[in-house]
Amino acid sequence: GDSVTQTEGQVALSEEDFLTIHCNYSASGYPTLFWYVQYPGEGPQLLFRASRDKEKGSSRGFEATYDKGTTSFHLRKASVQESDSAVYYCALSDAAKLIFGEGTKLTVSS
Amino acid sequence: EAAVTQSPRSKVAVTGGKVTLSCHQTNNHDYMYWYRQDTGHGLRLIHYSYVADSTEKGDIPDGYKASRPSQENFSLILELASLSQTAVYFCASSGGTGYAEQFFGPGTRLTVL
Repeated sequence: GDSVTQTEGQVALSEEDFLTIHCNYSASGYPTLFWYVQYPGEGPQLLFRASRDKEKGSSRGFEATYDKGTTSFHLRKASVQESDSAVYYCALSDAAKLIFGEGTKLTVSS
Repeated sequence: EAAVTQSPRSKVAVTGGKVTLSCHQTNNHDYMYWYRQDTGHGLRLIHYSYVADSTEKGDIPDGYKASRPSQENFSLILELASLSQTAVYFCASSGGTGYAEQFFGPGTRLTVL
């Protein structure tokens, strides 16, 4: 079946550091790929999505490019802030539902 | 104003007891979902529904039932709660599938003792 793998379970950075969270997927066809962010005490919310090869999704300084060749959708941000501390989920659409990765907890210290 | 609400926000239940988690959405969405969140497992789909009076099994349905009496309401029922069902539960709604965004509620923290 379809699946999503996030390599990093936890990431700890200082403010203004560069962020990369790796996301690889396995799916038949052409799924839409998503990044969701979850702040403490809240439900996940959509950060952005992409639906075709080489499409870049972006929001709030975060970005990721859909790469069908490497089956990846890595999340990047050039300069993180303390307010970016949250759990980030990569996900793909599978017919009627989403399949989520395990999540990556980002902690940014000042 | 919150479009997906859940009740209760927190609950302590006894092993073997019945637990009902409720979800209400004002998005006018056809699709609703129940997920559980556990450390190290991310979000896993329990049940979902795309129309009132009908539910579908997700990836981990064992030990759970679901009910969708109306477009706005979707309940998750644990007939015989077990320790392994201690988790945070999220409800979500969406207007469609594929590209559609899912809107999540604030979650219910369930502890089974």
